[in-house]
Amino acid sequence: KNQVEQSPQSLIILEGKNCTLQCNYTVSPFSNLRWYKQDTGRGPVSLTIMTFSENTKSNGRYTATLDADTKQSSLHITASQLSDSASYICVVSVVTTDSWGKLQFGAGTQVVVTP
Amino acid sequence: DTEVTQTPKHLVMGMTNKKSLKCEQHMGHRAMYWYKQKAKKPPELMFVYSYEKLSINESVPSRFSPECPNSSLLNLHLHALQPEDSALYLCASSQETGGVETQYFGPGTRLLVL
Repeated sequence: KNQVEQSPQSLIILEGKNCTLQCNYTVSPFSNLRWYKQDTGRGPVSLTIMTFSENTKSNGRYTATLDADTKQSSLHITASQLSDSASYICVVSVVTTDSWGKLQFGAGTQVVVTP
Repeated sequence: DTEVTQTPKHLVMGMTNKKSLKCEQHMGHRAMYWYKQKAKKPPELMFVYSYEKLSINESVPSRFSPECPNSSLLNLHLHALQPEDSALYLCASSQETGGVETQYFGPGTRLLVL
């Protein structure tokens, strides 16, 4: 079972509208959580990174929140633009000395912004 | 320079070909990774080079072989691939700062095996 679950699987929104993506995780012990944006056929680009002690982090129109008690994170996109169309991936980092399995990836939420 | 570069961007190869994917970073990171990503799926870790030590995902077939000529370069040698190996191959590097490790991904090589 995947230890990082994202919802919804896909999302279509009108340009200019806001949207919120969800990420629930079960990995433990937890080090940090990051959101990546991945355009089709391109490498993921980091949007935000939060340690367990942080509740919110913003990067322009992207705002991520983290509740380490409930193991939930969200990514809010404000005033969406056509260029926001991409896959948004939640990645949780596990505290371990082993390089293997240190990062747990969610399956991503595919966002399509329409004019 | 916070960039990981990968070449080529696209590659089409036959099942009998031998090719190599290249990855380079100049951030002084001591860990580098190869991932395979199929469409609409999360990246799957294939290999990790961390402080000159190689870790292998045992599910990766031997037709993929990594090579780390130096701490800035990571190659992935491909031989006798199968059509199901067609995917986006991502390279990443990372460094731990203040207890937080951040991975930087390259743009990827889109591979098509015919």
